[in-house]
Amino acid sequence: KAGVTQTPRYLIKTRGQQVTLSCSPISGHRSVSWYQQTPGQGLQFLFEYFSETQRNKGNFPGRFSGRQFSNSRSEMNVSTLELGDSALYLCASRALELHTEAFFGQGTRLTVV
Amino acid sequence: QQPVQSPQAVILREGEDAVINCSSSKALYSVHWYRQKHGEAPVFLMILLKGGEQKGHDKISASFNEKKQQSSLYLTASQLSYSGTYFCGTEVLLAGGTSYGKLTFGQGTILTVHP
Repeated sequence: KAGVTQTPRYLIKTRGQQVTLSCSPISGHRSVSWYQQTPGQGLQFLFEYFSETQRNKGNFPGRFSGRQFSNSRSEMNVSTLELGDSALYLCASRALELHTEAFFGQGTRLTVV
Repeated sequence: QQPVQSPQAVILREGEDAVINCSSSKALYSVHWYRQKHGEAPVFLMILLKGGEQKGHDKISASFNEKKQQSSLYLTASQLSYSGTYFCGTEVLLAGGTSYGKLTFGQGTILTVHP
């Protein structure tokens, strides 16, 4: 069974640009969550999608958006990139919405210069 | 609301024990524990549901005190392979007795085990 796949693994962008990250969950998993990881800040929750609907949202500005497709694959978009957006972006998929473990992808390392 | 973990860092020698704590200001439906090694994705360790249960496998166990909204992860007779950053994740309890599925993580506890 394939794990959670995130593409690309590494990305370098310039301030002001926009970026799209992709996440393919484990087959059959309908819940996909996105997290931003920076040193000292732990895993900051961005949003969660379930059956193509954004069900939960964290405290990030509107520049961060996402969507989920009918095959459960999810994309995250960040517009007007800032230096502070440099981070590891992780997605996690879950089989059901409640009390099941989250499976994480390897993440996308975004560097904004 | 992020759960709060303590301590922020722990340094051990092989064979020593450690306890990592996780607390929330909100009533919890579940507590998750994950370990992340450097350069790798976080890996699931265990889930504890409301009800005060305790779980464990091998020499890693955890407890969940739903009255205090606290969970503790116990690592006994630590091994070199236990090194990494440990995260607790929490799902808040709703009025209907369930959760809306938002898994929020603490800042992490860095555990280093030396020979």
